[in-house]
Amino acid sequence: DGGITQSPKYLFRKEGQNVTLSCEQNLNHDAMYWYRQDPGQGLRLIYYSQIVNDFQKGDIAEGYSVSREKKESFPLTVTSAQKNPTAFYLCASSNRQIDTQYFGPGTRLTVL
Amino acid sequence: AQSVTQLGSHVSVSEGALVLLRCNYSSSVPPYLFWYVQYPNQGLQLLLKYTSAATLVKGINGFEAEFKKSETSFHLTKPSAHMSDAAEYFCAVSDSGGYQKVTFGTGTKLQVIP
Repeated sequence: DGGITQSPKYLFRKEGQNVTLSCEQNLNHDAMYWYRQDPGQGLRLIYYSQIVNDFQKGDIAEGYSVSREKKESFPLTVTSAQKNPTAFYLCASSNRQIDTQYFGPGTRLTVL
Repeated sequence: AQSVTQLGSHVSVSEGALVLLRCNYSSSVPPYLFWYVQYPNQGLQLLLKYTSAATLVKGINGFEAEFKKSETSFHLTKPSAHMSDAAEYFCAVSDSGGYQKVTFGTGTKLQVIP
């Protein structure tokens, strides 16, 4: 089955710690995206990448970092610089032909 | 710049009644428009998308949406609500397709009353 996987589903972090969220896709999509979802605010774009070894900041990149070393993988690191990291994080992917973003199941991050 | 406004953060309908979820967009070029559905603690699933081929777009689960340029609207409808339709719905807009930056609305939670 082709799809997008995110792990873990639930993640707890202490203040001051960095944490990395995993996103893997086997759809052979070129582009991958990270969104943050907060109640009543919809989805906000953190970072996106349209090609390996290249990525662009989205609307709320401060306190986050990404890498794109492989086409299939786009991990997101939430650093200690992110002041309010508790949220639901969604990864998505797309390609030029389909022209639609497909989403993973999400990771819920809670800072204790 | 692109933006999307969803009117009503919560909508309640009776089972079997018409579902109407409102979305208005702003775009400097002919837009790509999307509707997604999200069930609790899950990712988003595409319901339908508009890419200028036809103004009335049919999607999955009996939903459809009509693109009205004069009203800058892309409202989502379903003739008869089912209990399984209870979820949160997101409208989204892109100036250049799903491969590029997509802007999402704040969502509308649909409650279906038995």
